[in-house]
Amino acid sequence: NAGVTQTPKFQVLKTGQSMTLQCAQDMNHEYMSWYRQDPGMGLRLIHYSVGAGITDQGEVPNGYNVSRSTTEDFPLRLLSAAPSQTSVYFCASLRTAGYPEAFFGQGTRLTVV
Amino acid sequence: AQTVTQSQPEMSVQEAETVTLSCTYDTSESDYYLFWYKQPPSRQMILVIRQEAYKQQNATENRFSVNFQKAAKSFSLKISDSQLGDAAMYFCAYRSVNGGSQGNLIFGKGTKLSVKP
Repeated sequence: NAGVTQTPKFQVLKTGQSMTLQCAQDMNHEYMSWYRQDPGMGLRLIHYSVGAGITDQGEVPNGYNVSRSTTEDFPLRLLSAAPSQTSVYFCASLRTAGYPEAFFGQGTRLTVV
Repeated sequence: AQTVTQSQPEMSVQEAETVTLSCTYDTSESDYYLFWYKQPPSRQMILVIRQEAYKQQNATENRFSVNFQKAAKSFSLKISDSQLGDAAMYFCAYRSVNGGSQGNLIFGKGTKLSVKP
């Protein structure tokens, strides 16, 4: 009964470093999304996927890359970290069959120094 | 494009009292879903309540209820008999019934609720 598993919980990066935030879901949902949460800004959509092999940009995609090779996994890559990417990141898996509901990972607090 | 507005960055309520959090949204769609999420200090996103736009009846979940005014595009959350555990950030969210790029959740900026003992 894992739901959405997001790792790591915390990460500190130096400017210019790259890293991948992992996200996996075991509910066979087609829809998956990445959000970032900043104080006073709510959650803003970075990238999303409507199925394996299909990804698209959200509101704030610059500096991030995604891929969706399987239904279960949707990793988010920071190509060259910048201080402006200091944020809390959430992965979400969205049920579309029946009543729509989003299931969130536990969040990743990323600090770029 | 749809937008969600929460005009109260912070709210405060006395324990056992009632508080209402405001949310307005903008859309040209006639059918959609609305949600309230709670985010305690643990960062976990917890679904509090949801509403389908085609349903006239306001949703209720125990001490949580909504006032859904479709014509006014308003979706407020009422918390009755407030408890210390209700202290959290609350987000209002919109989701289209359509798929593709419209299938994602659109969030307001949040309201931080504190509960005084």
